[in-house]
Amino acid sequence: EIGLTQSPGTLSLSPGERVTLSCRASQSVPGGNLAWYQQKPGQAPRLLIYGASSRATGIPDRFSGSGSGTDFTLTISRLEPQDFAFYYCQQYGYSSSTFGQGTELKI
Amino acid sequence: QVHLEASGGGLVKPGGSLRLSCAASGFGFTDYYLGWIRQAPGKGLEWVSDISSGSGTYINYADSVKGRFTISRDNVKNSLYLQMNSLRPEDTAVYYCSTEGGGYRLFDNWGQGTLVTVSS
Repeated sequence: EIGLTQSPGTLSLSPGERVTLSCRASQSVPGGNLAWYQQKPGQAPRLLIYGASSRATGIPDRFSGSGSGTDFTLTISRLEPQDFAFYYCQQYGYSSSTFGQGTELKI
Repeated sequence: QVHLEASGGGLVKPGGSLRLSCAASGFGFTDYYLGWIRQAPGKGLEWVSDISSGSGTYINYADSVKGRFTISRDNVKNSLYLQMNSLRPEDTAVYYCSTEGGGYRLFDNWGQGTLVTVSS
């Protein structure tokens, strides 16, 4: 099973700033099948990025993903107030799918 | 527009049973793999189970629920189910149903979740 470690655990920033979240896998993620989800309190997660760098439908272009192998990042170019939430990475596409433990983005 | 609505959660004693339902609309139900993901209070996400498209021939479970939970689908009612038996306190979580679109175990649409609490 591929383990995913996200860092940092918590990040405090201000609107307008740029932020990069990290997701490191314990072994290479096959096919670059790495996704990012956003979750706000009391809500279900929402798919942001799949295939490491493709934005899901309706996701603003201030969200971008990159990486390959074992190291992946999610970048938000200019934080807006609604972006303060939890973010989870996930490796998918094979019989064992795992999520990272999450990064909390605080205002 | 894709809509998933989970229901059936509640308070149950250890060893008890509960059946979750997920009503789906707005998409070709039989075309999609469907899954359940859970989130314990204050914790991260954990994939629980999924079922293949069409007749649901292929079914998988996380080791933590194997032998206790059963997933099924009703393509006439456009509904997904999770029968949970022999419940344990560690099964306490919000349970989300989801479509798997664009990739195996890529969860592209989520329902709002239903809370299951296992406690005496």
